[in-house]
Amino acid sequence: DGGITQSPKYLFRKEGQNVTLSCEQNLNHDAMYWYRQDPGQGLRLIYYSQIVNDFQKGDIAEGYSVSREKKESFPLTVTSAQKNPTAFYLCASSIQAGGRSETQYFGPGTRLLVL
Amino acid sequence: AQSVAQPEDQVNVAEGNPLTVKCTYSVSGNPYLFWYVQYPNRGLQFLLKYITGDNLVKGSYGFEAEFNKSQTSFHLKKPSALVSDSALYFCAVSDPATGGSYIPTFGRGTSLIVHP
Repeated sequence: DGGITQSPKYLFRKEGQNVTLSCEQNLNHDAMYWYRQDPGQGLRLIYYSQIVNDFQKGDIAEGYSVSREKKESFPLTVTSAQKNPTAFYLCASSIQAGGRSETQYFGPGTRLLVL
Repeated sequence: AQSVAQPEDQVNVAEGNPLTVKCTYSVSGNPYLFWYVQYPNRGLQFLLKYITGDNLVKGSYGFEAEFNKSQTSFHLKKPSALVSDSALYFCAVSDPATGGSYIPTFGRGTSLIVHP
């Protein structure tokens, strides 16, 4: 099956702890994205990557970091600097970076909760 | 800058009745417009998109959307609603104008509730 997988489904973070959310795709897509979803606020872009070893900040990058060492993987780390990390995190990919008409394909999401 | 608005937080409709979920947008040129659906605790699924051509776009699960340039709208419609259509619907816009971001901007979402 082709698609995007995210793990874990639920993640608990303790105060001062960094946590990493996994995102893997086997669609051979160039572009990958991380969004944060809060109730009533829609999707907000955290980071995106158009190509391996390159990524750009989105609208709310503070307190987050990413890497893109492989085409199929785009992990997101929520650092201790992110003071309000409780949210639903969505990873997405699209075929071609820079394609304005490209459909995005989304993973099932990870819900991050603070202990 | 590109922006999109979904003026209704929630839409209620009886099963079998037609449904409309509203979306308006703002871009500097001709927009690319998308509708996605999200079921509880799941990722978003693509429904349909408008790039160019016919103003009426047909998509998955019997949904369609009408692009209206003069009203800068892209409302989602379905002739006969099903209880299983109950979900959160997102409109998104991307600006093809030179210098505009190719990353789509999403609306805040509209919760569709279809009553039996």
